[in-house]
Amino acid sequence: DVKVTQSSRYLVKRTGEKVFLECVQDMDHENMFWYRQDPGLGLRLIYFSYDVKMKEKGDIPEGYSVSREKKERFSLILESASTNQTSMYLCASSRGAGGQGQYFGPGTRLTVT
Amino acid sequence: GESVGLHLPTLSVQEGDNSIINCAYSNSASDYFIWYKQESGKGPQFIIDIRSNMDKRQGQRVTVLLNKTVKHLSLQIAATQPGDSAVYFCAENIRPGNQFYFGTGTSLTVIP
Repeated sequence: DVKVTQSSRYLVKRTGEKVFLECVQDMDHENMFWYRQDPGLGLRLIYFSYDVKMKEKGDIPEGYSVSREKKERFSLILESASTNQTSMYLCASSRGAGGQGQYFGPGTRLTVT
Repeated sequence: GESVGLHLPTLSVQEGDNSIINCAYSNSASDYFIWYKQESGKGPQFIIDIRSNMDKRQGQRVTVLLNKTVKHLSLQIAATQPGDSAVYFCAENIRPGNQFYFGTGTSLTVIP
């Protein structure tokens, strides 16, 4: 079974702090994704990566950056956290070209105060 | 069915009954679809997928139907159980890329 893990289930940070969310997958998937999930808005894509050291902006990249130094790890960085970044953050991975299912981690509930 | 907006559609069914959850997808070029189940406090869980060259696909207690003419997807759950209570949402993939577009979901409540 595909396993996607995220470093924290719950996180509370202060406005202005730098926040790192880590995601690791163990199935040698090429593609990794970061989403945020907010009530009534569904999943919105922040950033994704098709390969090591590659990154592409999703629909809402503002205020975020990412890092993919190793194939199995994809990090989401909030350079200066703001209250409007309070959300559920979900990491996913998938194999190869399109038409393959994305498998999600358990999510990180981030609260910025 | 699903819709974009602030209110999550809800569906309540009696335990043992069949459930049907609907999804209207947006792009006629989408050729791969997935249904996910998300329980409270957890990440989405892959349930079943279907490609655009199929109209129907069956899994264990679940069936997905695809109507490309009207861009409609449905998930049927047979003999619904309390453990099926969750939010269900569909996702569409436009090839050749890897991005998916997700519906906002339908909240299913199973009444014992």
